[in-house]
Amino acid sequence: DAGITQSPRHKVTETGTPVTLRCHQTENHRYMYWYRQDPGHGLRLIHYSYGVKDTDKGEVSDGYSVSRSKTEDFLLTLESATSSQTSVYFCAISESRNQETQYFGPGTRLLVL
Amino acid sequence: EDQVTQSPEALRLQEGESSSLNCSYTVSGLRGLFWYRQDPGKGPEFLFTLYSAGEEKEKERLKATLTKKESFLHITAPKPEDSATYLCAVQALLIQGAQKLVFGQGTRLTINP
Repeated sequence: DAGITQSPRHKVTETGTPVTLRCHQTENHRYMYWYRQDPGHGLRLIHYSYGVKDTDKGEVSDGYSVSRSKTEDFLLTLESATSSQTSVYFCAISESRNQETQYFGPGTRLLVL
Repeated sequence: EDQVTQSPEALRLQEGESSSLNCSYTVSGLRGLFWYRQDPGKGPEFLFTLYSAGEEKEKERLKATLTKKESFLHITAPKPEDSATYLCAVQALLIQGAQKLVFGQGTRLTINP
């Protein structure tokens, strides 16, 4: 199994509060991704990183920001949580640019009340 | 726009009863088609990557095939432990070599003993 951990694994928060989710890898892979998974939508890309301090937006990035200060850590922040951000969040990593497999973490289940 | 459609949404089989799952895709230049398995409460687990029409890959009771418009995941003589949601995804290029996965909504497979 790829060495990917996510924390917390479960979180309940209130609307309007900031929330930070952490993805940690021990594989020294260059690329890291945040996806969310919702019924009826499948997995969708939120943000991704192609190196330390290098990040860009995915298809559902509104209301989210990310940071990557070290190779091993990729943080996802919900600036002001809304009920529509209730979801399961997955981090993924991949090693190189050419047709490389993405390996997923165990996920964080977030409930915004 | 890249799109992936999986069918059926759910499939219930008896142990030993072989069947196939379908993944239809539209993509501007296929770089790779991925199959993942997802168990409840866990992250997607990589199964196969297919790159060109005619390619086939096998793993235990599973065989994935690829044509120019669709992929099939054939399951032969399944066992209850094969019960899971199977996800199909196509790879799309981002910047700096990063690649996102565009997922279908999955097929929920249940194998009854």
